[in-house]
Amino acid sequence: EAGVAQSPRYKIIEKRQSVAFWCNPISGHATLYWYQQILGQGPKLLIQFQNNGVVDDSQLPKDRFSAERLKGVDSTLKIQPAKLEDSAVYLCASSYTSNEKLFFGSGTQLSVL
Amino acid sequence: DQQVKQNSPSLSVQEGRISILNCDYTNSMFDYFLWYKKYPAEGPTFLISISSIKDKNEDGRFTVFLNKSAKHLSLHIVPSQPGDSAVYFCAASGGSGTYKYIFGTGTRLKVLA
Repeated sequence: EAGVAQSPRYKIIEKRQSVAFWCNPISGHATLYWYQQILGQGPKLLIQFQNNGVVDDSQLPKDRFSAERLKGVDSTLKIQPAKLEDSAVYLCASSYTSNEKLFFGSGTQLSVL
Repeated sequence: DQQVKQNSPSLSVQEGRISILNCDYTNSMFDYFLWYKKYPAEGPTFLISISSIKDKNEDGRFTVFLNKSAKHLSLHIVPSQPGDSAVYFCAASGGSGTYKYIFGTGTRLKVLA
């Protein structure tokens, strides 16, 4: 069974630039999550999708972050414009339903200079 | 507002001995708890979970204990092996209806050969 795929693995940008991350969850998983993990901290939920609908985006900085899951499968997370404090690992996870264990991708390491 | 806390940032244990990792939570509505292990440059991988209707769950060398009255859970690894060296995160969910997983800040375990 293929795992959660994420790209790119690494991204370096300057502040005020834009960046996009892509995630393809495990086949058949209805729930998809984007987490932000800042160095030394635990993963923090940014947004949770159930199929192509948003379940929770209470911690997503909506003035600069956006995410979509148009066909209920893969998803993109965008930051525009990026700030220095956005430097983090962005993890995508999926689960079969909303109350089951999460399977994580390898993450995208973002450095904002 | 840190609802899930791992107060020990690091732990060193001799190979073959027991490793005990602790996690405290504040939200009494949490009813499902998970432990994840994370190696450098990889996403977290699921280790073991426990529902609030149980106080213990075992899987091979890994046992999770839940003390609901103290709002405390612990992960025991016996015997510890060098390959167990990683960062361990506990996570909790429940009560909100959205099954949002809240992660702790992690404990870095180092198993000494």
